[in-house]
Amino acid sequence: DGGITQSPKYLFRKEGQNVTLSCEQNLNHDAMYWYRQDPGQGLRLIYYSQIVNDFQKGDIAEGYSVSREKKESFPLTVTSAQKNPTAFYLCASSIVSSETGELFFGEGSRLTVL
Amino acid sequence: GEDVEQSLFLSVREGDSSVINCTYTDSSSTYLYWYKQEPGAGLQLLTYIFSNMDMKQDQRLTVLLNKKDKHLSLRIADTQTGDSAIYFCAETPGAGTALIFGKGTTLSVSS
Repeated sequence: DGGITQSPKYLFRKEGQNVTLSCEQNLNHDAMYWYRQDPGQGLRLIYYSQIVNDFQKGDIAEGYSVSREKKESFPLTVTSAQKNPTAFYLCASSIVSSETGELFFGEGSRLTVL
Repeated sequence: GEDVEQSLFLSVREGDSSVINCTYTDSSSTYLYWYKQEPGAGLQLLTYIFSNMDMKQDQRLTVLLNKKDKHLSLRIADTQTGDSAIYFCAETPGAGTALIFGKGTTLSVSS
């Protein structure tokens, strides 16, 4: 079955450590996105990529980094520079030429900083 | 800038209708969406409406769009306990761009 796989589902890290969240899709979608979700704040866009080897900052990119070396993969690194990294992170993908612009989401990764 | 507003909570009894409201600011949005999120999971697309439509019905779901007032609503008929979730309204500023989401409405259904 085609879909988006995020791993790990739960992750704990100590302050000052970098951590990388994995996102893989086998839908052959061009575009991939990372959102952050906090209670009562909805989804906020961190980074997105519409094509391999290219990506753009979203609204809250500070303290995060991404890469897009392969079409299927869009890993997110939460660096020690991110002041409040504890959150639920959602990866999504879409077809750039899609008429509807629908996003398909993974099941999320919950990061807790101790 | 673009913004999407929703009320945060709605509580209904099983069997009643639920109406979740949303306002948006970008009048150029081509499509507007409703997504559902169950606890600890990702978002799933429930339905969407094209901006030149006023209404779309899909089984128990009815979407109403008032483009003049930039108001979108989702009506769930015969609400069930399985409908308890967070519902997100979203708009797209343009083709190939990321969706802009509201903060989500938590729907609680009691039996």
